[in-house]
Amino acid sequence: DTGVSQNPRHKITKRGQNVTFRCDPISEHNRLYWYRQTLGQGPEFLTYFQNEAQLEKSRLLSDRFSAERPKGSFSTLEIQRTEQGDSAMYLCASRLLGPNTEAFFGQGTRLTVV
Amino acid sequence: DAKTTQPPSMDCAEGRAANLPCNHSTISGNEYVYWYRQIHSQGPQYIIHGLKNNETNEMASLIITEDRKSSTLILPHATLRDTAVYYCIASGNTGKLIFGQGTTLQVKP
Repeated sequence: DTGVSQNPRHKITKRGQNVTFRCDPISEHNRLYWYRQTLGQGPEFLTYFQNEAQLEKSRLLSDRFSAERPKGSFSTLEIQRTEQGDSAMYLCASRLLGPNTEAFFGQGTRLTVV
Repeated sequence: DAKTTQPPSMDCAEGRAANLPCNHSTISGNEYVYWYRQIHSQGPQYIIHGLKNNETNEMASLIITEDRKSSTLILPHATLRDTAVYYCIASGNTGKLIFGQGTTLQVKP
C-alpha cells in the first residue's frame, strides 16, 4: 500500500492524558498537512510541513498541540493534557511540492477523550 | 485562500449526470480549484483539480468559467457509491486546503 498511512486508527483516552498520532506520507512527498474534523464539519487545517520544516500553524493549534517531522518523512502529532473538546478525527495529507499537485489523505485517527 | 460557496445538498438519480456547482468569486490568479469528496468516516478523496482549462479524468469532469469565478464538477453517470460530501476548494502556493461545509450529494435509485 503506497498511500498515506495513519496510526492508530482509533484512540480512546482519559481526560488529562497525553496522546501521540503518527502519519506516514506517500514516499517522496515533501509536504505534509494535519487537519482536524469534528462531526458534521469539514476538516480544519492545523499545520503543515515542507520536508522537516514546520511552515505554518493554525490558531486552532493550542499550546497543548505539537507536531514534528524530524527527518522529513513521517510526522507525529502530540496532544498533551487532553480535553473532551479534543475528541475528533485527525487527518493527515501529503503532496509533492508545487502548485499543480494534489494532496492525498490518510484514513485518519479517531480520538475519543472520556 | 479564496472562500468558496456551495449548495448544502443535492439529489441525483442513479445513472444520471450529477452537476455540482461552486462559486469562488474572489479566487486569485495562482489558485487552483480542487474537488474532494468524503464518504462517512473516511478521509477525503481527491477527485480533480484545474486552473483555468476544463479538465477530465476517470472520475469526473471539471468545468471552470472563463472568468474563473465559478466551476462545476460533473459526475457523468452517478452511482449509489457516489453518495458523499463534495468539497470545492481554492488553493494556492502553500497547498493548504480550507474546507467549507461542502455539498451533500444523495444519489437515489
